Amino acid sequence: AQRVTQPEKLLSVFKGAPVELKCNYSYSGSPELFWYVQYSRQRLQLLLRHISRESIKGFTADLNKGETSFHLKKPFAQEEDSAMYYCALQGSQGNLIFGKGTKLSVKP
Amino acid sequence: DAGITQSPRHKVTETGTPVTLRCHQTENHRYMYWYRQDPGHGLRLIHYSYGVKDTDKGEVSDGYSVSRSKTEDFLLTLESATSSQTSVYFCAIRGGVDEKLFFGSGTQLSVL
Repeated sequence: AQRVTQPEKLLSVFKGAPVELKCNYSYSGSPELFWYVQYSRQRLQLLLRHISRESIKGFTADLNKGETSFHLKKPFAQEEDSAMYYCALQGSQGNLIFGKGTKLSVKP
Repeated sequence: DAGITQSPRHKVTETGTPVTLRCHQTENHRYMYWYRQDPGHGLRLIHYSYGVKDTDKGEVSDGYSVSRSKTEDFLLTLESATSSQTSVYFCAIRGGVDEKLFFGSGTQLSVL
């Protein structure tokens, strides 16, 4: 079965603290994984995808096939990072299978 | 906004009435998707289309139908709206050089 699990509904950190949003997946084959961000009920925006191995807004994510994980990390959280974050797995029809999301709250 | 718009942005309707949501794209992309977003569930795929008149069901298709009579428009219809269909509906298109998904701004639907 293709599935994405985000175990934390809410993650609260202070400004300047490190952040790690967890994502685990279930997929047979080579997965293509993404992180999307949604600010204040706006449209979802692609944050990053594993094949590009880029860093956007200071966030990085590494695919760990052994642990079937794709955790999102940032060394120093900023208040403007407060948002909903969704991990997603590309399905066989090009659709995305989403996790339930993690709400990140960065406190001043 | 990647050339994707949804209408209406907000709608309030009564149980039992039919409702149609529209997704319009200007990019001529082949693939279009309808998702619903609910707290505690994330986004779930309702239906998708891979071309004109080519559609298929997603994870939560019961109570919904879709139509795609032309490339630019993908319509989502609630045959007889129920309170459980109160949600935020997002349309997405797949395109660009790297075939990313781009999302519309969403439609907030309330079924009373």
